[in-house]
Amino acid sequence: EDKVVQSPLSLVVHEGDTVTLNCSYEVTNFRSLLWYKQEKKAPTFLFMLTSSGIEKKSGRLSSILDKKELFSILNITATQTGDSAVYLCAVIAVAQKLVFGQGTRLTINP
Amino acid sequence: EADIYQTPRYLVIGTGKKITLECSQTMGHDKMYWYQQDPGMELHLIHYSYGVNSTEKGDLSSESTVSRIRTEHFPLTLESARPSHTSQYLCASSEYSGQGGNTEAFFGQGTRLTVV
Repeated sequence: EDKVVQSPLSLVVHEGDTVTLNCSYEVTNFRSLLWYKQEKKAPTFLFMLTSSGIEKKSGRLSSILDKKELFSILNITATQTGDSAVYLCAVIAVAQKLVFGQGTRLTINP
Repeated sequence: EADIYQTPRYLVIGTGKKITLECSQTMGHDKMYWYQQDPGMELHLIHYSYGVNSTEKGDLSSESTVSRIRTEHFPLTLESARPSHTSQYLCASSEYSGQGGNTEAFFGQGTRLTVV
């Protein structure tokens, strides 16, 4: 059975801290790994990772994939209260199924 | 901006009613998905489709059914709604271009269903 596991499930930090969110996966015929941010309604796309070792960056957010160890990390530097959200990791596996992890609830305190 | 739409946004109905949640996308994507998400909980895949006339059940057992008669339309139907069906339902679509190429999944705004 395809599985995506995120850790930690919940994280509370102070504004300005740097956080690292983890995502490990066990899927058949891995295609891509995606990160989403979900605040109130629908998830919004952050990154798609297909190749190992290539960092994707967008402002204070960055992510990298390790296909040998089957995991990805999402880094957020100089966190702001607006970064508070649930961060979802998803994997596109065989037959194009999009499987999500449980999410990491990130809370940034001022 | 993603062109994927769900209607209605909110729905409150009585037990036993038949309902259809609509999802349409104008991006020509082959892949479409339905997810169920309770407040503060994870997304569960309940149905997906590779294209017209293809539908598959997801990882979470669901009493709902789906159809895919047209590329752009992927409605979800509950024949007889029950309070246990109260949840948020999210529709998504993506494109597979072959040789490992994919787009990210675009999500609709969701339908929050309450069955009383």
